[in-house]
Amino acid sequence: QKEVEQNSGPLSVPEGAIASLNCTYSDRGSQSFFWYRQYSGKSPELIMSIYSNGDKEDGRFTAQLNKASQYVSLLIRDSQPSDSATYLCAVNLSSGAGSYQLTFGKGTKLSVIP
Amino acid sequence: ETGVTQTPRHLVMGMTNKKSLKCEQHLGHNAMYWYKQSAKKPLELMFVYSLEERVENNSVPSRFSPECPNSSHLFLHLHTLQPEDSALYLCASSQDSPGRMNTEAFFGQGTRLTVV
Repeated sequence: QKEVEQNSGPLSVPEGAIASLNCTYSDRGSQSFFWYRQYSGKSPELIMSIYSNGDKEDGRFTAQLNKASQYVSLLIRDSQPSDSATYLCAVNLSSGAGSYQLTFGKGTKLSVIP
Repeated sequence: ETGVTQTPRHLVMGMTNKKSLKCEQHLGHNAMYWYKQSAKKPLELMFVYSLEERVENNSVPSRFSPECPNSSHLFLHLHTLQPEDSALYLCASSQDSPGRMNTEAFFGQGTRLTVV
């Protein structure tokens, strides 16, 4: 079964530290990868997308993709208490016949301690 | 107007009731989705509409019935639900059709449904 796996956490980091969130996926043919942030009681918000191997930086966020290892990560530099949320990894997995389905992991809960 | 709007935000219904969830997107997208989010489970894709045609997810019980009258509106009709159907129901839209790889979804605020 095609899946997206994340460590559910919680992951606790002190304010100012780097938070590292990891995600693995099962479909070698996947080409599109997304990170969403979801605050408690709110809907998921897209924060990063990545399509090519390597790093993609946007402010304090860096997404890293390694297709050979089927691994995508999100680094948050200078973590702030406002970064405390659940981070969802999403991957477009093949659902057959040339179609793709956006599949989410269970999410990693991040707590940034002041 | 926000990008994707869902109503109502909260809904409590009995198992014999019939209710509908509404979603409207103002992003000019051509695909819309219903997701279910239960506690401690991943987001579950329920239904996809691309260009107003339904791509059905066969694992969804028939007590959930979607309707997409046009590319901007999506409904989820509910009837004879069970308590285990209590969850956050999220609507999303995307710019590309589901058949393309680079599909990123934008979500509404969700409807918190409680079945009693």
